[in-house]
Amino acid sequence: KNQVEQSPQSLIILEGKNCTLQCNYTVSPFSNLRWYKQDTGRGPVSLTIMTFSENTKSNGRYTATLDADTKQSSLHITASQLSDSASYICVVIRSYNTDKLIFGTGTRLQVFP
Amino acid sequence: EPEVTQTPSHQVTQMGQEVILRCVPISNHLYFYWYRQILGQKVEFLVSFYNNEISEKSEIFDDQFSVERPDGSNFTLKIRSTKLEDSAMYFCASYPGTASYEQYFGPGTRLTVT
Repeated sequence: KNQVEQSPQSLIILEGKNCTLQCNYTVSPFSNLRWYKQDTGRGPVSLTIMTFSENTKSNGRYTATLDADTKQSSLHITASQLSDSASYICVVIRSYNTDKLIFGTGTRLQVFP
Repeated sequence: EPEVTQTPSHQVTQMGQEVILRCVPISNHLYFYWYRQILGQKVEFLVSFYNNEISEKSEIFDDQFSVERPDGSNFTLKIRSTKLEDSAMYFCASYPGTASYEQYFGPGTRLTVT
């Protein structure tokens, strides 16, 4: 079954600290993987998009990695800020069905001062 | 920067009533989508729309749901007879049709069925 699992479910860190969020997927055949940030009550906003051949991609303080062999991805946030408090969602797209995004359950990150 | 807009931001309706959720996708985008997110759960795909017809729909998108692009700018989701379990955030998204496959999401409409 095509699934996307994320861990941890929630995370609390202090401002300025780094953190890493994990994503495991069983989606096949794989096309690309995305990380979205979703503020409470808002729509998801794309952070990174990675294809099969990409191992790492950065967007400011966000760095995503992808291991297509083990079907794992991570999102590393450096020097966290209060505004990073949000849900981070891993989304996978199959190669023959690019319309239908398969969403993970998300990691709820809270950054405290 | 262009963005997807949705109205209303919050809709309260009684069970059995019809609701129409409205979306204005980014102009020049070709593909349109509706998703829903029940409180505390993950975002779920409902339907995709291209060239004035549904290209794919999920098992959630039953006969109670319909979509329409009535005037070339709006994209609507209609729920004919709402049920309590339809209470959720409904997100519209659009995509230009380029190789990036990136969908742009609207802010959502919170639907509360009482």
